[in-house]
Amino acid sequence: ILNVEQSPQSLHVQEGDSTNFTCSFPSSNFYALHWYRWETAKSPEALFVMTLNGDEKKKGRISATLNTKEGYSYLYIKGSQPEDSATYLCAFSNTGNQFYFGTGTSLTVIP
Amino acid sequence: DSGVTQTPKHLITATGQRVTLRCSPRSGDLSVYWYQQSLDQGLQFLIQYYNGEERAKGNILERFSAQQFPDLHSELNLSSLELGDSALYFCASSEDGWNSPLHFGNGTRLTVT
Repeated sequence: ILNVEQSPQSLHVQEGDSTNFTCSFPSSNFYALHWYRWETAKSPEALFVMTLNGDEKKKGRISATLNTKEGYSYLYIKGSQPEDSATYLCAFSNTGNQFYFGTGTSLTVIP
Repeated sequence: DSGVTQTPKHLITATGQRVTLRCSPRSGDLSVYWYQQSLDQGLQFLIQYYNGEERAKGNILERFSAQQFPDLHSELNLSSLELGDSALYFCASSEDGWNSPLHFGNGTRLTVT
């Protein structure tokens, strides 16, 4: 079992603030890094799939970067809104098959 | 709606019993993954199937087994259930390959009493 770590564990920000979280993973045998958004009482929903070192992805106010050599990815949210409140999960694969999930960063945006 | 269907939504059973969880993947997806989420734990990978064949195995107990059928639906069988097996079981599907996102079902909540 590989160790995928996410920090911080939880975060409370004011509406309009920008924020970022970290996902750390083993830097050897990298295949892919995924980000998911998981709202309460729903199932995880894919945000980004990242496969190349230096990848940068953007979807609206949310963006992500990837550094496979040092084993980390950042997720950024610009101008947080209450609807961004969710748990953000990253998942790492070193085989192209099984994905190891981090325990997530729980974001609460206060109106 | 992810297109992945899991049944049943809830299941309550007693220790020592056996249950079957069912998953229909999104149309066109060949890979099916099973994950377990216990209280205060993250998503733990159990097993992956691709087009009917087992492809990867994670932390799946010997009391658990799974299969993927020719129509690509998958079943996860849990036997000799223990209290600690109470968890939310997710199925996810993907087209194939590490560069395809996983699409999750809504999960089956298993409670063992």
